[in-house]
Amino acid sequence: GNSVTQMEGPVTLSEEAFLTINCTYTATGYPSLFWYVQYPGEGLQLLLKATKADDKGSNKGFEATYRKETTSFHLEKGSVQVSDSAVYFCALLNFGNEKLTFGTGTRLTIIP
Amino acid sequence: GAVVSQHPSWVICKSGTSVKIECRSLDFQATTMFWYRQFPKQSLMLMATSNEGSKATYEQGVEKDKFLINHASLTLSTLTVTSAHPEDSSFYICSALDRGPGSTQYFGPGTRLLVL
Repeated sequence: GNSVTQMEGPVTLSEEAFLTINCTYTATGYPSLFWYVQYPGEGLQLLLKATKADDKGSNKGFEATYRKETTSFHLEKGSVQVSDSAVYFCALLNFGNEKLTFGTGTRLTIIP
Repeated sequence: GAVVSQHPSWVICKSGTSVKIECRSLDFQATTMFWYRQFPKQSLMLMATSNEGSKATYEQGVEKDKFLINHASLTLSTLTVTSAHPEDSSFYICSALDRGPGSTQYFGPGTRLLVL
């Protein structure tokens, strides 16, 4: 079956630090991969996605590259801001099976 | 990106009453929507898949008579929590599947339900 393993949090960083949140997956076939972000008290927002190997998704300074050889989709940002404090979810969706498989979420706190 | 709305955002009700939550895709048609439940500081738990014009598919352990789902149009799905009890208090989130290139689920802002 499908599964997503995500870096356990919480993660606390200083403003302008470099961020990496690790995500690896197990899936049959060629899934699409996603990062969603959830701000306090809100639903999930799509942050970025990649639909095939070697694709790089990017948005708001965040990036993630679909690495088939390592089955990974690590989230990175070069310089985080306080406003990036949120919970980040890695997820996959297999073609033909429309259900998302989520990681457990990583809570990120950025301190000034 | 695509927009999904939910209404209401907050609801407080008495034990034994029923509560209806609406989920709408505002700028695309969604034949498939999903309902999730989220407990504090946890990931999302899929409750059911809502299919336009047909019965919803419930995940194992979810009571279909308790959580009624209706997907009457291509842009609207509703979740009714029947005879709500305090243990039903939770954060309910819906998503709508956009079947464009690279199918993507877009999420609503969530509905916080408190049953007294």
